[in-house]
Amino acid sequence: GENVEQHPSTLSVQEGDSAVIKCTYSDSASNYFPWYKQELGKRPQLIIDIRSNVGEKKDQRIAVTLNKTAKHFSLHITETQPEDSAVYFCAARGLDNDMRFGAGTRLTVKP
Amino acid sequence: EAQVTQNPRYLITVTGKKLTVTCSQNMNHEYMSWYRQDPGLGLRQIYYSMNVEVTDKGDVPEGYKVSRKEKRNFPLILESPSPNQTSLYFCASSPQLLPPEAGAFFGQGTRLTVV
Repeated sequence: GENVEQHPSTLSVQEGDSAVIKCTYSDSASNYFPWYKQELGKRPQLIIDIRSNVGEKKDQRIAVTLNKTAKHFSLHITETQPEDSAVYFCAARGLDNDMRFGAGTRLTVKP
Repeated sequence: EAQVTQNPRYLITVTGKKLTVTCSQNMNHEYMSWYRQDPGLGLRQIYYSMNVEVTDKGDVPEGYKVSRKEKRNFPLILESPSPNQTSLYFCASSPQLLPPEAGAFFGQGTRLTVV
């Protein structure tokens, strides 16, 4: 089955700086890679996703890149703001529609 | 409004007392799943269901049961809860499309404490 690893587990940046979170996956058949943001005490919410036929996707300050050959994908947040502070999860879904999550990254943006 | 609804939100119970956490979605999604969330371990899948009457084990199925008699409902059953099942539980659903078009929608979560 799929195995997803996520790094780093914690990340602290100054407001305005960029933050990068990286994930690797094991199943080369995986073809969909969403990212979720979970604020304290709330449910995970989808913030951006990418499919295997796309190398990069951007939505305002958030971007995701995918390297299928190396089996890794990354979340990039530019011009970080305190409200970006949360736990971020990457995930990979294979052809059987089964989703596997990374262990999460706690991002802290210092004002 | 599209949503996944879990009940109860909070539950404290005693070891061995059977309990059920309900999950219902109104989006006509084929795929539903249960996760538990523990500090430092992220979201670990317990069981998932591709469609009515089709369920499969996830990564951590021991001590849990599920059923999928109707498309909208996917209850999680703990026949004999133990303290190591104290956790935050999330139900999720997504459309089963190949290639998948959308990520999972999550319920609000159920915080379970087993004493």
